[in-house]
Amino acid sequence: AQTVTQSQPEMSVQEAETVTLSCTYDTSESDYYLFWYKQPPSRQMILVIRQEAYKQQNATENRFSVNFQKAAKSFSLKISDSQLGDAAMYFCAYRSASDKIIFGKGTRLHILP
Amino acid sequence: EPEVTQTPSHQVTQMGQEVILRCVPISNHLYFYWYRQILGQKVEFLVSFYNNEISEKSEIFDDQFSVERPDGSNFTLKIRSTKLEDSAMYFCASRAGLWGLAGPDTQYFGPGTRLTVL
Repeated sequence: AQTVTQSQPEMSVQEAETVTLSCTYDTSESDYYLFWYKQPPSRQMILVIRQEAYKQQNATENRFSVNFQKAAKSFSLKISDSQLGDAAMYFCAYRSASDKIIFGKGTRLHILP
Repeated sequence: EPEVTQTPSHQVTQMGQEVILRCVPISNHLYFYWYRQILGQKVEFLVSFYNNEISEKSEIFDDQFSVERPDGSNFTLKIRSTKLEDSAMYFCASRAGLWGLAGPDTQYFGPGTRLTVL
């Protein structure tokens, strides 16, 4: 069975600084998708970025980028120029071949003004 | 930008009562899902639905749960006899499928329905 592990329950970063959230996963599948979702206090799940496992190039979306290391089964999220609006719970997620998404336990990110 | 919508935003019910949570997936999406998140815990998969039938369900999705797509737009989750432990945030999601335009393999989530069972 696939698992997703986020080892940092909470992190803090100074506004305008860069922060990296860690995620590792375990799978025997060769083709899959990885995602980072953001959950603000409203508890809505917002897609931040996605990565196809067959692509070697790391995905980027404006200030958000990932470091995808397929062999190491690592998928970290880097947030550059952190803003107060980035404060939220961030979930790393794996989409299996069976189509369901498996979420990590989340990392709560605090932005310090 | 199209989005998944869910109603109600908050539902309060008595233990043993039936509840129906409603979702309107993104138009032209073909795959539908329900997830739940108990407060303070991670999001868990409940069920996936395609072509008017369940594709996969988790061990959480027992006989008390059912899903339906009663018309071309709504996707519902029914809990027949609610228990205290059913209190959670319930998220609906939809995915375009192979022919989608904006990331066919991305599940887009609705804002959630907070279910409180008293």
